Amino acid sequence: DQQVKQNSPSLSVQEGRISILNCDYTNSMFDYFLWYKKYPAEGPTFLISISSIKDKNEDGRFTVFLNKSAKHLSLHIVPSQPGDSAVYFCAASDAGNMLTFGGGTRLMVKP
Amino acid sequence: DVKVTQSSRYLVKRTGEKVFLECVQDMDHENMFWYRQDPGLGLRLIYFSYDVKMKEKGDIPEGYSVSREKKERFSLILESASTNQTSMYLCASSLFGSRPDHSGANVLTFGAGSRLTVL
Repeated sequence: DQQVKQNSPSLSVQEGRISILNCDYTNSMFDYFLWYKKYPAEGPTFLISISSIKDKNEDGRFTVFLNKSAKHLSLHIVPSQPGDSAVYFCAASDAGNMLTFGGGTRLMVKP
Repeated sequence: DVKVTQSSRYLVKRTGEKVFLECVQDMDHENMFWYRQDPGLGLRLIYFSYDVKMKEKGDIPEGYSVSREKKERFSLILESASTNQTSMYLCASSLFGSRPDHSGANVLTFGAGSRLTVL
């Protein structure tokens, strides 16, 4: 059973609007969460992370929110740009430092 | 620029063939990983290694083996390829216990991937 789930396989957003990508997890031992971005024919690259001691982390246009009680995190991209079109993977780790990845969400930002 | 290099970007093999996927990193990272990426399933860990000559099974090790004879090189071996091993294979590396801003979890640096098709 998948411990990290991204229930939306794809998302389409207009340029300049907000993109919200969601991720749910089941393992309460997860204490660190990351988002990776993957372009076609390239490996995933680290985007942003959040520790379980925080509920929000910002880096420019990217903000990650963590709701521990709901075991839910989300990535907000504001404003969305065509170059943000990619597959986004949510990942989580516990004290053992191994990452568990979600299935990914394909984001398409339309000009 | 730091790199994880996967020597083969595209491979086509026949069922039953032995397949080697090579990965080299130039960052002096202790940890190396092999994942496979399949649509809707995300990245699943096959094997990882914390040190030279050391290996640990991940979530889906069946049908695979690995070799780490040198710190910078981690090889994935399919002893007898099967059609259900058609996939994108991603190698990654990380510092032991590294996090971007404080101690703890790994931030992985990935290679560009090797797309394997088994006929």
